[in-house]
Amino acid sequence: DSGVTQTPKHLITATGQRVTLRCSPRSGDLSVYWYQQSLDQGLQFLIQYYNGEERAKGNILERFSAQQFPDLHSELNLSSLELGDSALYFCASSVGMDRHNEQFFGPGTRLTVL
Amino acid sequence: GQNIDQPTEMTATEGAIVQINCTYQTSGFNGLFWYQQHAGEAPTFLSYNVLDGLEEKGRFSSFLSRSKGYSYLLLKELQMKDSASYLCAVRVGVSGGYNKLIFGAGTRLAVHP
Repeated sequence: DSGVTQTPKHLITATGQRVTLRCSPRSGDLSVYWYQQSLDQGLQFLIQYYNGEERAKGNILERFSAQQFPDLHSELNLSSLELGDSALYFCASSVGMDRHNEQFFGPGTRLTVL
Repeated sequence: GQNIDQPTEMTATEGAIVQINCTYQTSGFNGLFWYQQHAGEAPTFLSYNVLDGLEEKGRFSSFLSRSKGYSYLLLKELQMKDSASYLCAVRVGVSGGYNKLIFGAGTRLAVHP
């Protein structure tokens, strides 16, 4: 158990819908990262927040957005869902931003878009 | 661009040694990580290299050559539970002095009795 929690564990929805994925980092971690893992694409970095502020952006679609709240939990919002958005979405957290900061991954949310 | 290459699949025998290679071409380099991921589960941290050389951690060792853009993960005394995907990830800098991880597609290792 990494100490990072994600809810829900599974989510099944239809095309065109909007969903929100939630992540609580390990106690004391200020950085939160979101990743998407599809069967054919490996682990893709989406976005990073540090202490409430967006710090780095990867291949995140405009239909996706995220935020980190004052209590440091984070939410990833996916809208106008398409079949291709079906994937495992992981949240990870780390203590800070630099040096040897390994990222601890949550168990993931499996999103299925029908 | 950013490119990280690993073999897609490898097989090995229980008790043996296996080496998983990773080559990278990235704009910037602030360290290389290896993660283990069992199917459907979260990646878990295995090792980190930022300087050239070998880092040993029990049955697992990782090597880095920055001039060659090359790393390998060495697994000794293989056990059935080592059957998993092994992800190579390079940390690169982004604007503002921050970093992000770029992952390779992973190497699926199957350990046979």
